[in-house]
Amino acid sequence: AQSVTQLGSHVSVSEGALVLLRCNYSSSVPPYLFWYVQYPNQGLQLLLKYTTGATLVKGINGFEAEFKKSETSFHLTKPSAHMSDAAEYFCAVAAGNQFYFGTGTSLTVIP
Amino acid sequence: IAGITQAPTSQILAAGRRMTLRCTQDMRHNAMYWYRQDLGLGLRLIHYSNTAGTTGKGEVPDGYSVSRANTDDFPLTLASAVPSQTSVYFCASRARGTANTEAFFGQGTRLTVV
Repeated sequence: AQSVTQLGSHVSVSEGALVLLRCNYSSSVPPYLFWYVQYPNQGLQLLLKYTTGATLVKGINGFEAEFKKSETSFHLTKPSAHMSDAAEYFCAVAAGNQFYFGTGTSLTVIP
Repeated sequence: IAGITQAPTSQILAAGRRMTLRCTQDMRHNAMYWYRQDLGLGLRLIHYSNTAGTTGKGEVPDGYSVSRANTDDFPLTLASAVPSQTSVYFCASRARGTANTEAFFGQGTRLTVV
């Protein structure tokens, strides 16, 4: 069975501070992992994805995530938060034709 | 611009009424999905279709039905709406064949059942 757990439904950081959003997955097969961002009143937009190969994946807007099989984690990071990063972030795992989403983390950036 | 179009963008619906949410994609993706998004619950899969002519039930299918007559369209129908179906609904599509492809999402339909 596949599932995703996002630790922390709300995260607040100061502008310029490190952003760390946590995601742990459970998968009975080699996982394909994704991070999506949702800005207010919009649909979900792909930030980055891990399929195979390099475990450190770089995405749009300066975000990156590292796949750690031993920890079953795929945490999302950004060295320096911008005000424009305030949004809802979803981690997802794909298995076959199905996507399984976490419950989301709302990121607030404090000026 | 290629992508997914959902209609309407928002709707207020009386309980007991029938409603169809429309979803059209022009990327020739085989797989399509309907999710509902509720505060604290994330996205939950309602129904999916792996290819035209086939559909399947997701995590929360009760009260909803879908059809997939062709590749491009995947309408979601609420036969008799209830207040618990108040939610934001997202349609998504994905190229089938490899599990490492991402899903593309529409802008959502905000439905309020009163």
